[in-house]
Amino acid sequence: SQQGEEDPQALSIQEGENATMNCSYKTSINNLQWYRQNSGRGLVHLILIRSNEREKHSGRLRVTLDTSKKSSSLLITASRAADTASYFCATDTGTASKLTFGTGTRLQVTL
Amino acid sequence: EAQVTQNPRYLITVTGKKLTVTCSQNMNHEYMSWYRQDPGLGLRQIYYSMNVEVTDKGDVPEGYKVSRKEKRNFPLILESPSPNQTSLYFCASSLQGLGTEAFFGQGTRLTVV
Repeated sequence: SQQGEEDPQALSIQEGENATMNCSYKTSINNLQWYRQNSGRGLVHLILIRSNEREKHSGRLRVTLDTSKKSSSLLITASRAADTASYFCATDTGTASKLTFGTGTRLQVTL
Repeated sequence: EAQVTQNPRYLITVTGKKLTVTCSQNMNHEYMSWYRQDPGLGLRQIYYSMNVEVTDKGDVPEGYKVSRKEKRNFPLILESPSPNQTSLYFCASSLQGLGTEAFFGQGTRLTVV
C-alpha cells in the first residue's frame, strides 16, 4: 500500500528557479527520506529527516517535516538542468520493517 | 567503491521459464530488499531481509522467492514468471534497515512474454 503521495505529479521550471515538491503520508512515521531517480536508473538518497526534526538542509536542498499535518516538502533552490529527475519520498513507521515509497514527482528543469 | 550490483540489467523471457535476478552489495549491510517499479504505482516492496537467513514478505510477494544465505547476496527468484511480472526491479541495501540511507542497484528491466 502507498504511504506517501507526492504533489505535484509533474513540475516544469526554468533553470535558476526554485522547485518545491510535497509529500503527504497516512500514518505516524519514524523517519522520512527523499530520493532522486534519473530516468530508469537506481534511486539515490538525498536526505533523511527524523520525526523529531522539523527542518534539515543539505547543499541546495531544504526539507521540512510537519508531523501534525503528516506532510513533508522538498525545496531545491537555484535549480539546474541536472536536477531533472523524479523525486520520491519514503517513510518508515518503525513497526514494520520496510520503507514505503510514494509515487513520485517528475521534475523537468529547462535552460 | 560502495555499490549494489544487479544482474542482468535487461532480460526478456517467456512465461513459465524460471529465472533468477542476482543482487550483491559490498558494504556489509544487514538489510536488503527488492522492489518493483511500475508506472503510476511508484516502488513497491517485494521482499526484504534483515540479516542472513532472515527474510520476510513485503507488499507484493506473490510469484517471487528470495534467499539470504550470505550477507552480501540477495537473489530474487521467479519460479514461473507471468506477463504481469513485467516490470523494473530494484535491489537495495542499507546498514541497519530503517532510519538509514538505502543504496540502490541500477535496476533490472524484465519483460515476460
